[in-house]
Amino acid sequence: NAGVTQTPKFRVLKTGQSMTLLCAQDMNHEYMYWYRQDPGMGLRLIHYSVGEGTTAKGEVPDGYNVSRLKKQNFLLGLESAAPSQTSVYFCASRSGTGSKYEQYFGPGTRLTVT
Amino acid sequence: GQQLNQSPQSMFIQEGEDVSMNCTSSSIFNTWLWYKQDPGEGPVLLIALYKAGELTSNGRLTAQFGITRKDSFLNISASIPSDVGIYFCAGRVSSNTGKLIFGQGTTLQVKP
Repeated sequence: NAGVTQTPKFRVLKTGQSMTLLCAQDMNHEYMYWYRQDPGMGLRLIHYSVGEGTTAKGEVPDGYNVSRLKKQNFLLGLESAAPSQTSVYFCASRSGTGSKYEQYFGPGTRLTVT
Repeated sequence: GQQLNQSPQSMFIQEGEDVSMNCTSSSIFNTWLWYKQDPGEGPVLLIALYKAGELTSNGRLTAQFGITRKDSFLNISASIPSDVGIYFCAGRVSSNTGKLIFGQGTTLQVKP
């Protein structure tokens, strides 16, 4: 199993450009999450999905959109990138429901917006 | 919104020393988690705590779920150079959605 993979690993965008980050998991997990990590601020939840075809807003959703058309993939889109979106983006997935299923993280995508 | 306060922000210690870090919240959590992030990698789960008062070990790591359910502690004994990284606490907001709130992280550096 590859676990959680993220594409691309690095990207530089100009202000106003758009892009899509891809997260894929091969563990048949129901739940998927997108976070951003900024220095000194921990990880903050952008959007999440509790199953194929469903998405919901997290703590910092503005400027981002997501889609979960297939169970194994969770896409994060930036329609018009801004320098404030320079960050490291992590995807995570989690199996099932209940109290003892935890999130597994991908390796991250480092995005710079100039 | 809910916030976790993690301290200390950073530590620089000698190899062989013990390390303690903690996380506090104004809200109650039913689950506390501790993750480690190596440079350039994603966070990896170290320890999960599900019951108030619970004490759980993973090798040289020991974590405790505070009795008030508003705090948690992580101890690392006899630190080694590969302990270097950022340690995050996280509290679970909802069992249904699995949403987590993360602390700001403790950066650990170990001098050989």
